[in-house]
Amino acid sequence: DGGITQSPKYLFRKEGQNVTLSCEQNLNHDAMYWYRQDPGQGLRLIYYSQIVNDFQKGDIAEGYSVSREKKESFPLTVTSAQKNPTAFYLCASRGQGSTNEKLFFGSGTQLSVL
Amino acid sequence: GESVGLHLPTLSVQEGDNSIINCAYSNSASDYFIWYKQESGKGPQFIIDIRSNMDKRQGQRVTVLLNKTVKHLSLQIAATQPGDSAVYFCAENLPRWRFGAGTRLTVKP
Repeated sequence: DGGITQSPKYLFRKEGQNVTLSCEQNLNHDAMYWYRQDPGQGLRLIYYSQIVNDFQKGDIAEGYSVSREKKESFPLTVTSAQKNPTAFYLCASRGQGSTNEKLFFGSGTQLSVL
Repeated sequence: GESVGLHLPTLSVQEGDNSIINCAYSNSASDYFIWYKQESGKGPQFIIDIRSNMDKRQGQRVTVLLNKTVKHLSLQIAATQPGDSAVYFCAENLPRWRFGAGTRLTVKP
């Protein structure tokens, strides 16, 4: 999947529990993104990071948190405040400059609520 | 609000036929577009891209057409094969990447 590794592939969350989804890339990309995909809908942006130690809220950031301590890693935590977390979560990255705009995606994590 | 959308949510074609998948984008300032293919339970795969200074771009068995006047993209797949069965969606780059919900392509043998 283009050098982006997401884990785990399937994740189950109990009520009141925080869970963390992993995203690692070896493409030397500066920008990384987290999207949520629900059936029949387009991808929605949760958080993005243009550079290490900086990140911005996307369109649906409530109930989620991220960190960007290393260029290669951009983990997403789904907190207990997210009341409807069941979805397919996609991590993406891209390089800098007009010739490196392509978004590359990981293989996704399916999160379900127990 | 505005959104990147598709004219048809499903498309069924016979193996060997050509497929055409359409997409309406929302931002006239968008200058870069991508088509992705997504198989069930997997991440989207890049198929082909096009910049706004082009009207047409061809790849291997795929062609993307861009009509800026009506903000419309299409993806043409020649000689569609069973392995082409998937959801296809378009994306536009401005102000941030926005994605259509997708069209499910089914190829009948």
